Parts: sequence; structure tokens; C-alpha cells
Amino acid sequence: GEDVEQSLFLSVREGDSSVINCTYTDSSSTYLYWYKQEPGAGLQLLTYIFSNMDMKQDQRLTVLLNKKDKHLSLRIADTQTGDSAIYFCAEIDTDGGSYIPTFGRGTSLIVHP
Amino acid sequence: DGGITQSPKYLFRKEGQNVTLSCEQNLNHDAMYWYRQDPGQGLRLIYYSQIVNDFQKGDIAEGYSVSREKKESFPLTVTSAQKNPTAFYLCASTFLEQTEAFFGQGTRLTVV
Repeated sequence: GEDVEQSLFLSVREGDSSVINCTYTDSSSTYLYWYKQEPGAGLQLLTYIFSNMDMKQDQRLTVLLNKKDKHLSLRIADTQTGDSAIYFCAEIDTDGGSYIPTFGRGTSLIVHP
Repeated sequence: DGGITQSPKYLFRKEGQNVTLSCEQNLNHDAMYWYRQDPGQGLRLIYYSQIVNDFQKGDIAEGYSVSREKKESFPLTVTSAQKNPTAFYLCASTFLEQTEAFFGQGTRLTVV
């Protein structure tokens, strides 16, 4: 099965909050990330969280980490049409020594005016 | 400015031909990666390299080949053995024990 799982689609109205969820299986993950991909482009890092943290806030973005359930979420406050993109959750296994980033399938966020 | 550059942005190939995608980084990163992206399937790892002159297969290496003769460069060759090569290809790089992966802007390969 997949190491990182996400739902494929999320649709919200402009101005509402968006919450994108992710679950992961690697218990040794030290870093967990959220990337944003706009159409036809590469991935850009939005934010990351260390596995010894529960929450990280960065302007409109809030990341919550539940280590017990291996659940990561990204909340975007006051969602704008420019936030429409694919959002990827990713982890890097540092304990195993491989350091290879593993990505979820990506969640397509559609923001309606 | 430091970054990672993929070229070309669009590439067309006839069936039966090999084609090479370029990836160059000037971030002094140790590790480089090639991913393939298909709609609804996320990113799948093709090959990765953590040191010059060494590389490892990822999850879907069949029909692809790579080389790492220089730290800055990690070209990917899509061979005629790759049965379904039409896809978006992304190159990334990281420091070995570092966190963030930096991505190129991708190459869209279409087989005609």
C-alpha cells in the first residue's frame, strides 16, 4: 500500500477555510511537508513540520500533526482563487538513512468564486 | 540565483526513439531524483542518486536509464523499452541529510 495517502479532491468557496488531510505510515519520519503544484509547473514547498511538533502556523497556513494517528493536515484560511492547485503531502524517512522524499497522490483544491 | 533547471519544457518523441531529459542544479545538492507524474497517481520515483557515479532504481525504473557523472547534472533517458512514456517528468534535488526537496519546472513528454 501507499506510504502517504490523501484524498484526491476538495472544493471550497472563496473566503472559506480549506482543510487538506494526509495520513502516513512511516513511524520514523522526521520531516513532513506540504507542497503546492500549479498547472504545468513543478512543486513548491509551502511549509513543513518536524515530527516533534504538534502545530505550525505560517500566515494563512496552519499545519497540525497527530503523531499517534499518523495524521497531518493543512488548513488554508480565507481561501482565494489563487490557492487552486494540487497539494502534496510528503515525508522523508531519516532513520532508515535513505532520505528519499515520498509523496502522496496529491489533493486537487478547487476554489469557487 | 540558485535553482534546479529542467529542459526542455515540452518534448515530442516518435515511438521507438530514445530521448534524454536534462536536469541541472547549482544548489550544491548531493542527491537528485527523477519522478514521473500521471493524473491521479501523484509522483512515482524512477531513479535517484545520492553521490556522483552512483544511482539507484526507484519504483518504476523499467524503460529508463540515468547517469550521474557530475554533481550538478542528472539526465534521464527514456528508452524505447518504456511502454507508456507520455507523462510529466519532474527532477528534484536535496542535501543528503537535509529536509526540503527543490523541484525543477518539469518536462512534458509526448510520444507521437
